[in-house]
Amino acid sequence: GQNIDQPTEMTATEGAIVQINCTYQTSGFNGLFWYQQHAGEAPTFLSYNVLDGLEEKGRFSSFLSRSKGYSYLLLKELQMKDSASYLCVAMDSNYQLIWGAGTKLIIKP
Amino acid sequence: GAVVSQHPSWVICKSGTSVKIECRSLDFQATTMFWYRQFPKQSLMLMATSNEGSKATYEQGVEKDKFLINHASLTLSTLTVTSAHPEDSSFYICSARGLAGLSETQYFGPGTRLLVL
Repeated sequence: GQNIDQPTEMTATEGAIVQINCTYQTSGFNGLFWYQQHAGEAPTFLSYNVLDGLEEKGRFSSFLSRSKGYSYLLLKELQMKDSASYLCVAMDSNYQLIWGAGTKLIIKP
Repeated sequence: GAVVSQHPSWVICKSGTSVKIECRSLDFQATTMFWYRQFPKQSLMLMATSNEGSKATYEQGVEKDKFLINHASLTLSTLTVTSAHPEDSSFYICSARGLAGLSETQYFGPGTRLLVL
């Protein structure tokens, strides 16, 4: 079956770095997305990886290893506003989205 | 766990035809359903919000006569793209909010890819 695994909750300190891991199993693969979602709001797009490697965008970076079915989202210089849920979403060969349950990130001062 | 399904997952149609997309919450009652549109490598764009038994609330810039939304029951909402044109080709995603167990949460469907020729 198709599946996404990511931790349910993580806690980090303001100013620090946190890495949120995601493993996926899909029928074919057409890319992996990371979204940020604050409570009560729609998800906001953070990144899209379809090739292996690291993509950096400001304080956020996303990494993909297709052979391992693995991705991570790296957040640097954490700010209180980064407290949110982070959703790992894979796209299969039929362009269907398989959503992870999300990782709730709690930032402490 | 709670699941949201969409049907069809893929649809190809000719310009001028209408396409209906169904969104179902499978093991919980969705008091509110959301319809989103996603362009490649971009964020989800909210099109409309619908509560069961009432008219949908459309976001600014979304044509209500073109994107007809019906939320007839607590487990089913439909989006009909009327007189589809190639620019309507996109990825349409529904989301359902309701009580799953003891807490209210929101779940997303797998999406429907529409290609208008």
